Amino acid sequence: EVVLTQSPATLSLSPGETATLSCRASQPISNYLAWYQQKPGQAPRLLIYDASNRATGIPARFSGSGSGTDFTLTISSLEPEDFAVYFCQQRANWPPPTFGGGTKVEIK
Amino acid sequence: QVTLRESGPALVKPTQTLTLTCTFSGFSLSTNGMSVSWIRQPPGKALEWLALIDWDDDKYYSTSLKTRLTISKDTSKNQVVLKMTNMDPVDTATYYCTRITYNNGFYDYFDYWGQGNLVTVSS
Repeated sequence: EVVLTQSPATLSLSPGETATLSCRASQPISNYLAWYQQKPGQAPRLLIYDASNRATGIPARFSGSGSGTDFTLTISSLEPEDFAVYFCQQRANWPPPTFGGGTKVEIK
Repeated sequence: QVTLRESGPALVKPTQTLTLTCTFSGFSLSTNGMSVSWIRQPPGKALEWLALIDWDDDKYYSTSLKTRLTISKDTSKNQVVLKMTNMDPVDTATYYCTRITYNNGFYDYFDYWGQGNLVTVSS
């Protein structure tokens, strides 16, 4: 089973700043990684798939990069609605698909 | 427009069997490549994948929960049912059903989610 480790657990930033979130896989997973955003009381929403592709309707300030074991989600110029929890998920080894523990982006 | 909706009890007692139903629209589980998965999330914690059923009636389960889970589908009703036996307080979580597609030899990502069904396990 692929273990995904996200860091940091919490990121405290101000609107307008850039958020950089990390996800590390316990073994190479090529680019088979997605990022989800979850706001309080809501289901997760797919943001990025296959490491760097934005899902439908996702703003350009969200970008993903990485391959192998190290991946990054960057949110440029944080908007108030971007403060949420972000999870990464791999699909390289099925089953099971696994998720990271999450990074909370909070308002500083 | 794809939608999914979970239904089931909000409260179950320890040792009982949980039955959750996912009713969906906007796609069919008789279409090649279509699949539905269940994922849960304990309060304040991470997501945990539970089970998947696909258009070909293939089924996959979480290794750690495999003995307790059963997933099934009713294609005519656009429903997927998840049963989890011997519920315990540690199973308290929001249970989500999701759509996932199969392409080029891989399952993709969870692109549509229901709103979730919070299940509390307590006597």
